[in-house]
Amino acid sequence: GQQVMQIPQYQHVQEGEDFTTYCNSSTTLSNIQWYKQRPGGHPVFLIQLVKSGEVKKQKRLTFQFGEAKKNSSLHITATQTTDVGTYFCARGTGNQFYFGTGTSLTVIP
Amino acid sequence: NAGVTQTPKFQVLKTGQSMTLQCAQDMNHEYMSWYRQDPGMGLRLIHYSVGAGITDQGEVPNGYNVSRSTTEDFPLRLLSAAPSQTSVYFCASRRGQGNTYNEQFFGPGTRLTVL
Repeated sequence: GQQVMQIPQYQHVQEGEDFTTYCNSSTTLSNIQWYKQRPGGHPVFLIQLVKSGEVKKQKRLTFQFGEAKKNSSLHITATQTTDVGTYFCARGTGNQFYFGTGTSLTVIP
Repeated sequence: NAGVTQTPKFQVLKTGQSMTLQCAQDMNHEYMSWYRQDPGMGLRLIHYSVGAGITDQGEVPNGYNVSRSTTEDFPLRLLSAAPSQTSVYFCASRRGQGNTYNEQFFGPGTRLTVL
């Protein structure tokens, strides 16, 4: 269907360890967006990927779009306590957006 | 710019009561939408609008009504609240519509409890 599957649901890491969340679709995606939601907050846009094989970096965050445009990943290098929150991917189709269920990241100091 | 604003922040209703969640944006965005967020379910689209006078259903529209009389405002109405509508509601807006997938700006949310 239209949904995107996101794994893992939860991830606990020691501060300084790396973190990766994955977003998968059974159908080809025209685009994928990533959002971060801090505890008690609202989703905040991080990035959008539209091209096959695209890789974008934002400081310690690396975003990838698969060659077949059916999956995407967000990788955080050397996590910090400020990275705590839930990371969502979302696909846009027509005028609708479908969000993944999110990955909740806990960083242990 | 205030961005996207929502009122109230918190609300408790009894089953059967009605209420309107308010949403406004000052960025002149064409597209506005309402989502609900439930634990383990991510965000699900309730209704959306691509401009004043134009609204359409999203993934979970039942029990909710919307209207868009101005570019700035997009209220969400619960006609007869049910416990299943207990959730956190987010309003969002973005430039463009259709396949122009610009970033969405989210409001701070309304936490609704229906007893």
